[in-house]
This record gives sequence, C-alpha cells and structure tokens, in this order.
Amino acid sequence: DVKVTQSSRYLVKRTGEKVFLECVQDMDHENMFWYRQDPGLGLRLIYFSYDVKMKEKGDIPEGYSVSREKKERFSLILESASTNQTSMYLCASRREGGAFFGQGTRLTVV
Amino acid sequence: DQQVKQNSPSLSVQEGRISILNCDYTNSMFDYFLWYKKYPAEGPTFLISISSIKDKNEDGRFTVFLNKSAKHLSLHIVPSQPGDSAVYFCAASLRFGNEKLTFGTGTRLTIIP
Repeated sequence: DVKVTQSSRYLVKRTGEKVFLECVQDMDHENMFWYRQDPGLGLRLIYFSYDVKMKEKGDIPEGYSVSREKKERFSLILESASTNQTSMYLCASRREGGAFFGQGTRLTVV
Repeated sequence: DQQVKQNSPSLSVQEGRISILNCDYTNSMFDYFLWYKKYPAEGPTFLISISSIKDKNEDGRFTVFLNKSAKHLSLHIVPSQPGDSAVYFCAASLRFGNEKLTFGTGTRLTIIP
C-alpha cells in the first residue's frame, strides 16, 4: 500500500519563526510536490522536485524554500513564517498516473 | 490565471440520484486529467483519471467524461451515497507521467439522505 507521510498533522508557530515541514514517501517516486490549500483557491503548487537535489518553483514560491537530499524525503521550509502562510500544506509524490498525497499539515502562524 | 476551473463551489444531491461535477480548462496542452476527493483535515485521495485519447472512463460508480473540443470534463457519481459528501477537485497534467498537477478550486458535494 502506497504511503506519503507528513511529519505533523497540526502545527502552531509564531511570526518570524523558521518552520520545517517534512514529507516522506515509500514508493520510490522521482517526483514530489508541495501544495497549499486555502478556501476558494483550491490547491496551489509551491515547489516541486524531479529528482534528488533538483527543485522547481511552482505558482506561489515566495516565502518558501525546499530541500531534497534523499529521494524519499522532500522538505518545505518557511524561512520566516508570516500570518498569511497559515494554511493546509499537502505533500504529494508521483511517477505515472495519479499523485498520492499525505494527510496534510494544518499550520497556524500567530 | 486559473487554467483549471470549477465554476460551482457547491452542489447538493439527493441520496441515490446522480451527482455531476464539472470542470473546464484553458490550456490545450493538458492531456491527462484526474479527479480527487477530499475530506476535511485529510489529504486528497485519487478517484479516477482519463487520458486525452479517450472520451470516457468508468470505475464502479464513478465515470469521467472528457470533451476535448470544449475543454471540459465531468465526473458522474451514480448512485450518490452519503459517504460521497466531500470536496472534489479536478486536476490536469501536461503528460501522463512526470509532470505537476494543476488543480481547480474544488466543488463541495453534499449528499442529502
């Protein structure tokens, strides 16, 4: 059974903190993605990665960075958290066909 | 620029009837389309997909129709069940494999018992 695991379900962080969201997949997929979901806006792509140490900006990369040191792990970094980054963050991996998502991380920045 | 659009934010359907969710896209290069279902506080789960070489794909109660000339796809759920109440997202990709998915804004489906 395929699995994408995000390290936290819920996080509360203070404005200005550096935040790390971790994602691990066990399917040996080359491609991994970070999306955020906000009401009325759907899922918007932040960053994606085609391979280890490779990364591409998505539609809304500002304020974020990523790291992919190993094939199975893709990390999203909020360099200095702001209240407008309060959102549901979703990690996904894909090889062919559909992408598989993790359970999501609900991040609140106060 | 919203390349994938779901113009109905919500839809209510009686249990046992057919639910039809619609999606339009603007990028004619998209050639693979997917539907996802999402419950609150969970990640989206893959439902069904269709390649641009087909106009219909069926999986149990779920059928997806693709009209390439109109750049339109739809998801039919029949019969609708209470467990189908969720937010449904359509997504599109440039190729079957290693490409990012572009999502619509979602439609909240409520099945009325």
